[in-house]
Parts: sequence; structure tokens; C-alpha cells
Amino acid sequence: KNEVEQSPQNLTAQEGEFITINCSYSVGISALHWLQQHPGGGIVSLFMLSSGKKKHGRLIATINIQEKHSSLHITASHPRDSAVYICAVGFFSRLTFGEGTQLTVNP
Amino acid sequence: GAVVSQHPSWVICKSGTSVKIECRSLDFQATTMFWYRQFPKQSLMLMATSNEGSKATYEQGVEKDKFLINHASLTLSTLTVTSAHPEDSSFYICSARPIVASGSRVFGTDTQYFGPGTRLTVL
Repeated sequence: KNEVEQSPQNLTAQEGEFITINCSYSVGISALHWLQQHPGGGIVSLFMLSSGKKKHGRLIATINIQEKHSSLHITASHPRDSAVYICAVGFFSRLTFGEGTQLTVNP
Repeated sequence: GAVVSQHPSWVICKSGTSVKIECRSLDFQATTMFWYRQFPKQSLMLMATSNEGSKATYEQGVEKDKFLINHASLTLSTLTVTSAHPEDSSFYICSARPIVASGSRVFGTDTQYFGPGTRLTVL
């Protein structure tokens, strides 16, 4: 069993839909990261959180430490949101990555 | 915002040659830099942790003599793939952990800023 599991692996949505990507982990962490990777490969850090909820634009990330679970939500999805979303858990910066969720948003 | 650059962004080399990849933090100092490798359709795998002025710490299964890491300053780490072979073809990504200073105290943080990656193809 992987230490970090994401679901779903693949997600196709229509523009405007509300999207949720889930991440469960089985190890102790100091922080959880949500990352975005576009087809060219470059990685952008979306959120780093250790408790509660964070919001940036149309993106919302939540974490439940007791349940070892985090969700990334995208409101009013757009084709430019199409990318791989990766959950990574860190223990003092040493990160373990999930397999990623391939999101495709169709116009 | 914090920017991490990598150079080159892509490289094609012949089998047996060595390739050096640079990772620079452009507007902050980094206590630690990390090197990751990503194979197609797979997630990132940590290869090694690089601390300025000390030897890198390699993950299990990563050959330190093959993947030489040098962290000469707080803004630069290099990864050299020595005697490259086709199986070394991969996407290599670095990240940098910034120093946070508060008064006379200096901290590391959980934050990491990622570079854009270097695609290595070994023929």
C-alpha cells in the first residue's frame, strides 16, 4: 500500500464543473502539499497546509489531520486547469508523492 | 515570488557521457535543495537531499557515484549524471527549501519551491 494515495487517477469534467481530488496518507506529516504539473513538466506549488483550509482564487484545499485526508477543490473549472495534480506529504521537507490525478477539463 | 531555475531545460547526449544539471534559487537562499526523478506516467521520486557545504544524502537505491551532487552555495546545487546510459533518460526536477530569518535566528521551513525540470535523453 502506498503511503500517499490519490483518487481519482483520471478525471474528465466539463467547463464550469466543481471538481474534487482526494488524498489519503498513512504516515506522520508536518505538512501536505498540493502541486500542479502541466504537460511540459514544470511543477507549481499550489498549497502547503498542516491544518484547516486554504483558498486561492478558485482553488480550495482542506486537510483533516485526524483522518489523514486532504481534498483539493476547483470551482468553476476551466480548460486551462487541465493538468496533473499531485499530493505530497512532508515530514520536515522530505516529501513523499502520490501518483497524481490527471484532470482534463473540456470546453 | 520565489523562483527556482534549472539549466538546461532539456539535453540529449550520447551513452557514456556526463551531463551536469544546475538548480538555482534566484531570489532567496536555500538551506536545502532536493533532487527528484520522474519517469513517464509516474510520480516524482526523491533521489537525494543536498545541503550547502556538506555531502548529499542519497535515497536507497540511488548510486551516489553515478549521480554526483554538489551544493557549493546557498543558491546553487548541481547534479551530474556520470557515464549516462539510456535507462538514465528521465525528467529531473529540483526543489529548494528557503531560509527564514527572524532576528538573529535562522529557520528552515516546510516550504519547497520547484524548478521547471530538465528532460534528459540518453541515446
